[in-house]
Amino acid sequence: DAKTTQPPSMDCAEGRAANLPCNHSTISGNEYVYWYRQIHSQGPQYIIHGLKNNETNEMASLIITEDRKSSTLILPHATLRDTAVYYCIVRETSGTYKYIFGTGTRLKVLA
Amino acid sequence: EPEVTQTPSHQVTQMGQEVILRCVPISNHLYFYWYRQILGQKVEFLVSFYNNEISEKSEIFDDQFSVERPDGSNFTLKIRSTKLEDSAMYFCASSAQMGEKLFFGSGTQLSVL
Repeated sequence: DAKTTQPPSMDCAEGRAANLPCNHSTISGNEYVYWYRQIHSQGPQYIIHGLKNNETNEMASLIITEDRKSSTLILPHATLRDTAVYYCIVRETSGTYKYIFGTGTRLKVLA
Repeated sequence: EPEVTQTPSHQVTQMGQEVILRCVPISNHLYFYWYRQILGQKVEFLVSFYNNEISEKSEIFDDQFSVERPDGSNFTLKIRSTKLEDSAMYFCASSAQMGEKLFFGSGTQLSVL
């Protein structure tokens, strides 16, 4: 089963920051936090991942709490095209190849 | 940007028939995967493939399923005798490193009648 808890849905106004939370209270020291999103029924798209430091790339920022029990994905200026299901996934980077997808957060960006 | 290509986009078949779903992973990637998503349900891992052999598989991936990399560019998923419950969207993915930053294709919608 997925090791993460996410709210089932969120709305965000276009142009505003979208902050998507994720709880992973049982995360272990060698597990990374990954974020993917799925637009309509397309294949999931990688967004960002991190271990304990905050990360930023061209798509988003990832803020991980100091105790690593939760994280927040930030889309700084949400657009209508960011409407999607966002998945927070915790996994090791050795010993297993698979991602266990949960039900994610359905983000709707409103005009 | 390089992408994973899947064909066909839609496949309709009769129960009991064999189907082959095809994928062209990103050219310099070494790790290949199949996932599936039944309508309205979660994305589920099926199998991973590296160095011409299965490296990990889920309990879904039973004897009816097989994977192959027949040449240097294609990666296929074969379902030997399809069942109604095999109806799903099947996603191929590839990565440069084990499990890292998967790049997914746009999927093949399989409908078993």
